[in-house]
Amino acid sequence: DAGVIQSPRHEVTEMGQEVTLRCKPISGHNSLFWYRQTMMRGLELLIYFNNNVPIDDSGMPEDRFSAKMPNASFSTLKIQPSEPRDSAVYFCALKQGPMNHYGYTFGSGTRLTVV
Amino acid sequence: AQSVTQPDIHITVSEGASLELRCNYSYGATPYLFWYVQSPGQGLQLLLKYFSGDTLVQGIKGFEAEFKRSQSSFNLRKPSVHWSDAAEYFCAVGASGTYKYIFGTGTRLKVLA
Repeated sequence: DAGVIQSPRHEVTEMGQEVTLRCKPISGHNSLFWYRQTMMRGLELLIYFNNNVPIDDSGMPEDRFSAKMPNASFSTLKIQPSEPRDSAVYFCALKQGPMNHYGYTFGSGTRLTVV
Repeated sequence: AQSVTQPDIHITVSEGASLELRCNYSYGATPYLFWYVQSPGQGLQLLLKYFSGDTLVQGIKGFEAEFKRSQSSFNLRKPSVHWSDAAEYFCAVGASGTYKYIFGTGTRLKVLA
């Protein structure tokens, strides 16, 4: 999606390695979500930022996961150390407007495979 | 508890046939309702949404959906399916007091030529 750029598109890493996923929203967006999608669990909200501040990180699976949003144009999701069960597609999403009824714009995702 | 149910995991239709994908929700407040489509290897794209007003909403790609409060449903329809509509479709619900959306488990649509 033109509004959100995620990188890399695919990542294959060995268990125990650090992985960093990146998200670049269009400028001016200050509400950002990280989601994880798996066949077994569907779409899971990991963390929500508003005004670059983490508001809700209750979905972050464990301490191995961390996320930052240093400015309105960049966010990272880091997994250290990675495990095979972290294999999933990770999406970054933005609110399409200031109110909750606007819906989201999703990035194309990062497919992570941990071997 | 809030929930969204998409009863059909897979649906197969012939090209040119009509389509209806079902979505039922359980939500205490007046819901915001959404349909998203996900093509292979892509993110979710918003097809349409309902939050107030006319209960029949039009979306992109020729899709429409109808909010029926009495049935707690928000079914997605298209009168004539194209092969390019083959994808996975997700229903989602939100509300004014929360930034969280609840997503259904998805319905995978296959279109036969």
